[in-house]
Amino acid sequence: QSVLTQPPSVSAAPGQKVTISCSGSTSNIGNNFVSWYQQIPGTAPKLLIYENNKRPSGIPDRFSGSKSGRSATLGITGLQTGDEADYYCGTWDPNLNIGVFGGGTTLTVL
Amino acid sequence: EVQLLESGGGLVQPGESLRLSCVGSGFTFSSYGMTWVRQAPGEGLEWVSGISGSDGRTYYRDSVKGRFTISRDNSRNTVYLQMNSLRVEDTALYYCTKRSASSHDYWGQGTLVTVSS
Repeated sequence: QSVLTQPPSVSAAPGQKVTISCSGSTSNIGNNFVSWYQQIPGTAPKLLIYENNKRPSGIPDRFSGSKSGRSATLGITGLQTGDEADYYCGTWDPNLNIGVFGGGTTLTVL
Repeated sequence: EVQLLESGGGLVQPGESLRLSCVGSGFTFSSYGMTWVRQAPGEGLEWVSGISGSDGRTYYRDSVKGRFTISRDNSRNTVYLQMNSLRVEDTALYYCTKRSASSHDYWGQGTLVTVSS
């Protein structure tokens, strides 16, 4: 059971938009930055979004992040087959004094 | 270019020990916190342990406290994870990550730890 809750899977057609939610608590998401990671099967995770809504260099603006209260959302527009991957949210939990991740969401581009 | 290279994984029996190493390059190693994140086969990411860059403060998830020890040698640009009393449930791919801006901004390719009798 992960501290952060994500839907197990989402799907959409190429060119469409999808959102992935990440729900936590006031102590973790509510009071800390959220980051998002993309993991293509067989490869290491890659940072997509940091500090809730910032993109590292090289990440296209099709990827966006937002946070409100105890939840965060990853948005992906203009879906491509290459976006098929597992997506994880992450933050710090001061109650546990450790980092935490969501359980991951598998994106299928139909 | 930032690179993280893990090593030290392998097949061990329950109760045995392993020491993982992660060598960082392409950044000022001593200035950044480092963490170990693991992923059991077919499962999600699990934060294991972290060490700060500035004061060497350490953090552990409950399930590894007292068994795992994270440390760093800034002269060798290396972070370690000493894993004792290994359990079957510790079986996973262990990733080393660099911390920046409240995120894991770079990840290694991982080293596989298998605990089985």
